[in-house]
Amino acid sequence: KQEVTQIPAALSVPEGENLVLNCSFTDSAIYNLQWFRQDPGKGLTSLLLIQSSQREQTSGRLNASLDKSSGRSTLYIAASQPGDSATYLCAVRVTGGFKTIFGAGTRLFVKA
Amino acid sequence: NAGVTQTPKFQVLKTGQSMTLQCAQDMNHNSMYWYRQDPGMGLRLIYYSASEGTTDKGEVPNGYNVSRLNKREFSLRLESAAPSQTSVYFCASSEIGAANEKLFFGSGTQLSVL
Repeated sequence: KQEVTQIPAALSVPEGENLVLNCSFTDSAIYNLQWFRQDPGKGLTSLLLIQSSQREQTSGRLNASLDKSSGRSTLYIAASQPGDSATYLCAVRVTGGFKTIFGAGTRLFVKA
Repeated sequence: NAGVTQTPKFQVLKTGQSMTLQCAQDMNHNSMYWYRQDPGMGLRLIYYSASEGTTDKGEVPNGYNVSRLNKREFSLRLESAAPSQTSVYFCASSEIGAANEKLFFGSGTQLSVL
C-alpha cells in the first residue's frame, strides 16, 4: 500500500531564505507526483507535476525533484516571500490506476 | 474560468440526515474524484469516476454513494450522516492520459454532523 509522508509538519523561516520541503513515498511504482499549495479555507492548487520518467520540474521560484529509486521528492522554494505562506502537499498517482495518494502536508510560515 | 464548482460551501446536519454534495467541472475532463480532508491526515479518496458512466471506490467509501450524472457533474451523497463524517470535502477533476494530467480542485464543502 502506497504511503506518502511529509516532514516537517510545520516550518517557519525568515523572508528571503531558500528552503526545501520533503516528501517520501513507500512504493516506487508511481505514474506521477504533484506538489500542491493550499491556503486556509481554500481548495488545492497544483504547482508542479513530475512524470515518473522525469527528474525535475521548474516554475518560477519553485523547483521540484523526483528520485523514484529512493522514494523521495523535494520542493525547493527560492527567495521565500510572506505570500508563500501556505500548506504544501505532495501527492503520488499510483501506476495502473486512477488513485492519487496525498501526504498530510507541510505548513509553511514566512516571516516578514 | 469557473474550473471546478462545488455546492454548498458550508452545511450542518444532524445525525441521520441525508444530503447531496454537488460538483461540476467545465474543463471537459474525463475523470472526477471526491476527497475528504481531516486535520493531520491529508486528503483521502472516497470515490472516483474514471470516465462518464463509471464509478469506483476509493480508500474510505463507507457511508457514501456517488453518481456521475454526465461528463460535467459528479455528486456525493450521504444517506445517513454520522459525526465521523464531519470533514471538509473536495471535488477534483483531471484529464487522465493527457501530457499534463494535473488535478484541479474545487473550493471545498465544510460539513459538520452534530
